[in-house]
Amino acid sequence: AQTVTQSQPEMSVQEAETVTLSCTYDTSENNYYLFWYKQPPSRQMILVIRQEAYKQQNATENRFSVNFQKAAKSFSLKISDSQLGDTAMYFCAFMKLLGNQFYFGTGTSLTVIP
Amino acid sequence: DSGVTQTPKHLITATGQRVTLRCSPRSGDLSVYWYQQSLDQGLQFLIQYYNGEERAKGNILERFSAQQFPDLHSELNLSSLELGDSALYFCASSVTPSGSMDEQFFGPGTRLTVL
Repeated sequence: AQTVTQSQPEMSVQEAETVTLSCTYDTSENNYYLFWYKQPPSRQMILVIRQEAYKQQNATENRFSVNFQKAAKSFSLKISDSQLGDTAMYFCAFMKLLGNQFYFGTGTSLTVIP
Repeated sequence: DSGVTQTPKHLITATGQRVTLRCSPRSGDLSVYWYQQSLDQGLQFLIQYYNGEERAKGNILERFSAQQFPDLHSELNLSSLELGDSALYFCASSVTPSGSMDEQFFGPGTRLTVL
């Protein structure tokens, strides 16, 4: 079975600062996808960044980057130059390479303070 | 606006009752997914339909059922409701049956409150 753990229910960061959200997972799979999703107050789920486990290079998307440590089964999200619009719930998610079921963490509520 | 619509937006009911949540996928999308989001369990995948047929089943209780109709809209039926069923229920749709999260477009959700 796959499990995803986000150990930080709530976090806050000053505007323009950097924050890191933690995520660990457990799986026996060798190839899989990892995602970070953002859920703003509008409740929509927005893909922030995706990482393929077979890629060693950490994914980056503008101000968002990940630290993917496959051996440690760790997948943290770094948000640089935090903006007020980054305030949201962030979910870490795991999906097998083949298959259509995925697993989410319980989320981290991030607040950017002006 | 993702193009996925869900009705109703809010639903308040009592324990033991039955409710039906409705989802209309984006135009052209054949897959519909249902999710439950509660505070303590995060976002849970319930079930997926593709072109009218069940494609994948997740953590869906026996008290819950779903179907996808010929016009591709889907309904999630929740019966014998319990207090713990209070949650936000999302529907998502995609063109392919692959289930890739980044291919899915989410609706705004239905907030169910069971009193």
